[in-house]
Amino acid sequence: GQNIDQPTEMTATEGAIVQINCTYQTSGFNGLFWYQQHAGEAPTFLSYNVLDGLEEKGRFSSFLSRSKGYSYLLLKELQMKDSASYLCAVILREAGTALIFGKGTTLSVSS
Amino acid sequence: GAVVSQHPSRVICKSGTSVKIECRSLDFQATTMFWYRQFPKQSLMLMATSNEGSKATYEQGVEKDKFLINHASLTLSTLTVTSAHPEDSSFYICSARAGVSYNEQFFGPGTRLTVL
Repeated sequence: GQNIDQPTEMTATEGAIVQINCTYQTSGFNGLFWYQQHAGEAPTFLSYNVLDGLEEKGRFSSFLSRSKGYSYLLLKELQMKDSASYLCAVILREAGTALIFGKGTTLSVSS
Repeated sequence: GAVVSQHPSRVICKSGTSVKIECRSLDFQATTMFWYRQFPKQSLMLMATSNEGSKATYEQGVEKDKFLINHASLTLSTLTVTSAHPEDSSFYICSARAGVSYNEQFFGPGTRLTVL
């Protein structure tokens, strides 16, 4: 089976930096996505990694190590609006195949 | 980015009735659409993959006769929950892939189904 692990919950304070880890053991790998999801809403795209290394996009960065089956999402200068669930998802094969999601990490940002 | 819409956003129905949910790609053609279900405080679980002009591929444990999927055009896929029961109450989300070789999927806003 496919296995994608993330911490269930994390807490942080405004202005801080938080790192959300994701490990995966899957039958194939053609890229890893990070999505943000607020309660009752659809996921919104944050990042996509297919090669090893760090991808930076504003306050959000995502890292991938394919050899270790590991990724993390780094959120800097946290804001209250960053309180949400963060979903790690793997696409197993070529484009046109579905995403396999982890259970998501609920991040709570306090003032 | 590409826009995907879903209709309705929220539906409440009686047990035993059927409910149809539409998923549309508004500014691109989607040869493949995916239907996910999300129960409270859980992650998205893939239900089926819908390809335009062909039968949907269902994930293990998803009843194809209960969850009817039709992908009649490159911009529209529908999910019909037949004879809905309270345990079918969930958040149903579709996604569509834009482009032949592009991995990113764009999600619709979701449909909250409540079966009484």
